[in-house]
Amino acid sequence: DIVMTQSPDSLAVSLGEGATINCKSSQSVLYSSNTKNYLAWYQQKPGQPPKLLIYWASTRESGVPDRFSGSGSGTDFTLSISSLQAEDVAVYYCQQYYSTPQTFGQGTKVEIK
Amino acid sequence: QVQLQESGSGLVKPSETLSLTCTVSGVSITTYSWTWIRQPPGKGLEYIGFLFYSGSTNYNPSLKSRVTTSLDTSKNQFSLRLTSVTAADTAVYYCARQRGAPGYFDFWGRGTLVTVSS
Repeated sequence: DIVMTQSPDSLAVSLGEGATINCKSSQSVLYSSNTKNYLAWYQQKPGQPPKLLIYWASTRESGVPDRFSGSGSGTDFTLSISSLQAEDVAVYYCQQYYSTPQTFGQGTKVEIK
Repeated sequence: QVQLQESGSGLVKPSETLSLTCTVSGVSITTYSWTWIRQPPGKGLEYIGFLFYSGSTNYNPSLKSRVTTSLDTSKNQFSLRLTSVTAADTAVYYCARQRGAPGYFDFWGRGTLVTVSS
């Protein structure tokens, strides 16, 4: 199985400031034949299901605010929130879909400082 | 608008079988792949398995010996059965639509809590 490791486990950010979450995979999730990274990001608020934010490592899902962006390739990825809003308080997960079983990171909790 | 809704027993006794159904609206289940994911209370997400509209399946090896999934195209539903449950199977169970195989999950049900307890 591909192990996904996120850092940090939690972070506190002031409103309007930027936040960065890292995700590292135990093996590359870059498929060489199409140069796509099989990596997605989700946001989960308390009592709600996860919500897809980003797929193919950097493609924003329809309706997701442009303050959310994804970057990285191979084994190292980043989710950035450019200007934290109160509604962004949540747990964020990365997920690889390069191979089965599809696996998730342990989650990063984002709070307001 | 695509919507998914889980239903089934919220309380299952140890050693018995957990059964859940996901009802899909807004799209036919004869397209895409469909997935079960679970989340123990206060913990992270675990992929259980997905099934194609053709009926073929893929399961997490950690659960494979106990999991069965199926489609009911007449009702636009798909189902999960997990046998020989223990307290470790207590979780919120989500159904989701999967884009690709394997893939990412773009629509999710609200989830249903299943507690394993005598």
